[in-house]
Amino acid sequence: GAVVSQHPSRVICKSGTSVKIECRSLDFQATTMFWYRQFPKQSLMLMATSNEGSKATYEQGVEKDKFLINHASLTLSTLTVTSAHPEDSSFYICSAPTRTGPTETQYFGPGTRLLVL
Amino acid sequence: QQQVKQSPQSLIVQKGGISIINCAYENTAFDYFPWYQQFPGKGPALLIAIRPDVSEKKEGRFTISFNKSAKQFSLHIMDSQPGDSATYFCAARASQAGTALIFGKGTTLSVSS
Repeated sequence: GAVVSQHPSRVICKSGTSVKIECRSLDFQATTMFWYRQFPKQSLMLMATSNEGSKATYEQGVEKDKFLINHASLTLSTLTVTSAHPEDSSFYICSAPTRTGPTETQYFGPGTRLLVL
Repeated sequence: QQQVKQSPQSLIVQKGGISIINCAYENTAFDYFPWYQQFPGKGPALLIAIRPDVSEKKEGRFTISFNKSAKQFSLHIMDSQPGDSATYFCAARASQAGTALIFGKGTTLSVSS
């Protein structure tokens, strides 16, 4: 299957600092990427849809000024958590779709564990 | 409103047994139904997926059964192994390009040896 990478895999930061997470599609291009957030023992919650060359679309309740998304190229989307606080600590996962025949399949990155102290 | 309902929340199966996880959906626009497997600290990995034009799809020990009229689909894991112990998520999506997946709440499967 297609490969999606994330960097970093784990980050610890102090409260008030900003953290950038990168999501890359390694062997395909993606005009759209998705960012999810997952709390322990819970499901994936869609945060936003990242669109190459245009503004991201945020889900209801997700602060766009806090979670800045940039999709600068067809293989890279970044999520910046600005002024991070302990409640932002979570597992952040990106995904990117690619089409195989008639079906569009979403491939997920390995996730980034964020811990805000 | 939860668009994809998944049950059970947790499941314990003996090695060699059959694991069955069920999902139900409401939105008739959904036409793609994947199952993902997730190990602790890892991203979800696509296991198997089905479209509503077939009632069953089998890949190795994994089978999806799909009931369009009931708006239900299920994952069967045959000959369950300890290595299958993970969290399983069903998901659904409408067919438009670039549409996000809607996930069920997940099922934690433990296969005892």
